[in-house]
Amino acid sequence: DAGVIQSPRHEVTEMGQEVTLRCKPISGHNSLFWYRQTMMRGLELLIYFNNNVPIDDSGMPEDRFSAKMPNASFSTLKIQPSEPRDSAVYFCASSSSGSLTGELFFGEGSRLTVL
Amino acid sequence: GENVEQHPSTLSVQEGDSAVIKCTYSDSASNYFPWYKQELGKRPQLIIDIRSNVGEKKDQRIAVTLNKTAKHFSLHITETQPEDSAVYFCAASYSGGGADGLTFGKGTHLIIQP
Repeated sequence: DAGVIQSPRHEVTEMGQEVTLRCKPISGHNSLFWYRQTMMRGLELLIYFNNNVPIDDSGMPEDRFSAKMPNASFSTLKIQPSEPRDSAVYFCASSSSGSLTGELFFGEGSRLTVL
Repeated sequence: GENVEQHPSTLSVQEGDSAVIKCTYSDSASNYFPWYKQELGKRPQLIIDIRSNVGEKKDQRIAVTLNKTAKHFSLHITETQPEDSAVYFCAASYSGGGADGLTFGKGTHLIIQP
């Protein structure tokens, strides 16, 4: 398996623009997580899905952030409008909720810079 | 919700010496405690984990200990090598992580001095 695939790897945009980050989880995994990583706040869980259904979005910073998972092999995280404080590395991770290990497999991350 | 505190934020040790990173958690229902290693510019990857029914687990040069009463768990790395230089994150979960994600500590930047 190619692992969790995220795109784009790097995104530079101007304040006010819409940003869409994409994720393809590992085939067969039924849980998907979006994390944000910054120096100040570390790794923060934004939202997660089980079987394509959003379970907990309490980590989403505000209404400017939204996430969808239309099918088992694709998810998006959208920021509209973007602000400079949204600059961070956004990681998508997937796992199998039935796994005995509970291991999360992370993608390479999408580094977002909002000017 | 769960809150995980991690110390120290930076740790510098001589090559060959041991390194210890400590974490505390707040939710007594948590029962799964993994450690992830993140090299510069890379993704976090699992290196070892422990469940609440076990007090200690070892894998070659790394070991993790858990004190459920005190809600503490620690990562021990012996005979440190240059490739151990990275940021290490502890995490906690009450259902194994696979179903509902992990709450991470802020990370420890481990520097191995030659």
